[in-house]
Amino acid sequence: GENVEQHPSTLSVQEGDSAVIKCTYSDSASNYFPWYKQELGKRPQLIIDIRSNVGEKKDQRIAVTLNKTAKHFSLHITETQPEDSAVYFCADAPMDSSYKLIFGSGTRLLVRP
Amino acid sequence: EPEVTQTPSHQVTQMGQEVILRCVPISNHLYFYWYRQILGQKVEFLVSFYNNEISEKSEIFDDQFSVERPDGSNFTLKIRSTKLEDSAMYFCASSISGGGNTGELFFGEGSRLTVL
Repeated sequence: GENVEQHPSTLSVQEGDSAVIKCTYSDSASNYFPWYKQELGKRPQLIIDIRSNVGEKKDQRIAVTLNKTAKHFSLHITETQPEDSAVYFCADAPMDSSYKLIFGSGTRLLVRP
Repeated sequence: EPEVTQTPSHQVTQMGQEVILRCVPISNHLYFYWYRQILGQKVEFLVSFYNNEISEKSEIFDDQFSVERPDGSNFTLKIRSTKLEDSAMYFCASSISGGGNTGELFFGEGSRLTVL
């Protein structure tokens, strides 16, 4: 079945620096790649997503890039702020079954003031 | 802003007991899901539901699990005979689109199940 690998598992950055989280997927036909942010004890919330017909998407300080050839996608957060501290999950929707999302193992981001 | 609501927020049960977790998806959404998250681990897919039937289920979703949409608003997950390893946070989610056009999943706040 589909597998999504996510790195790093933890990431600590100084406030104002950039953070990059990377994911690789195995199903070359996957067509939807969302990123969710989960604060402690809260629900996962979508922060940005990208479809397979697009290479990059930006929303203010957040951007996602997709490399279909290499089957990986990345989340970029610029000018990090303490409130960006959370667990970030990547996911994809495998084409063999698009009724589900397969999540990565998560990255705990800590932004130091 | 409409949101997915779940009850209870926390349930403690004895091993072997039946548990029902309840969810009210966003009203105009057509696809409904249950995911679970064991403490400190990733979110895992359990089951998706569309047009009053299961669209897909994972290997976790064995015969002990069932889902139901008993009326026009509720979506329930039943675990018939709970095991210790069922202890987890269970998230309900819904989306407007699915199938070949999967879109944003909106998650509820979760129901924490503790099996003793």
